[in-house]
Amino acid sequence: DAGVIQSPRHEVTEMGQEVTLRCKPISGHNSLFWYRQTMMRGLELLIYFNNNVPIDDSGMPEDRFSAKMPNASFSTLKIQPSEPRDSAVYFCASSLLAGGIDTQYFGPGTRLTVL
Amino acid sequence: RKEVEQDPGPFNVPEGATVAFNCTYSNSASQSFFWYRQDCRKEPKLLMSVYSSGNEDGRFTAQLNRASQYISLLIRDSKLSDSATYLCVVNSGAGSYQLTFGKGTKLSVIP
Repeated sequence: DAGVIQSPRHEVTEMGQEVTLRCKPISGHNSLFWYRQTMMRGLELLIYFNNNVPIDDSGMPEDRFSAKMPNASFSTLKIQPSEPRDSAVYFCASSLLAGGIDTQYFGPGTRLTVL
Repeated sequence: RKEVEQDPGPFNVPEGATVAFNCTYSNSASQSFFWYRQDCRKEPKLLMSVYSSGNEDGRFTAQLNRASQYISLLIRDSKLSDSATYLCVVNSGAGSYQLTFGKGTKLSVIP
């Protein structure tokens, strides 16, 4: 069974450009999480969805960030306009939440560099 | 105070050594605890859950002290393949599905 799939794996862009990161969760999982990891701040939760509905987006840094989950098998994280301080590794994770906390399975991440 | 604090290391230990990592968390309402492992330039993966009574998985032993809000991981007979960053993880409060990750402790096992 395929794990969490993320694309692109690497993205280099210039400041001011729009960036879209994509995620396909594990089939059958009902929750999806977007994280950002930097050396300074570690792994931070940006937003999470349960049954395609955003539950908590308090971790989203600012209005430049937006996330969608139009169906159970696809989610996007968009940054517009991008800034150099957005450079980080962005992970998507999925989980099957059924009455308790279950393991979160992470995708390989997207390494974003904003010049 | 940071929500989950860990010694960043690095811990450089010889093969066969026993090494222990500690972690403290600030949210007394946290109910679920985990250790994740992250290899260099890879994604985090669950190593083991941590139960109140303590639990063991092969060479790995995890302990939880709720009163002190302290979690530990002990690795016995270290292998070269144990070299990685170990992340202490707690849920963000009673009934919360959100996980808070520590910044991790880096372990290097040396031949």
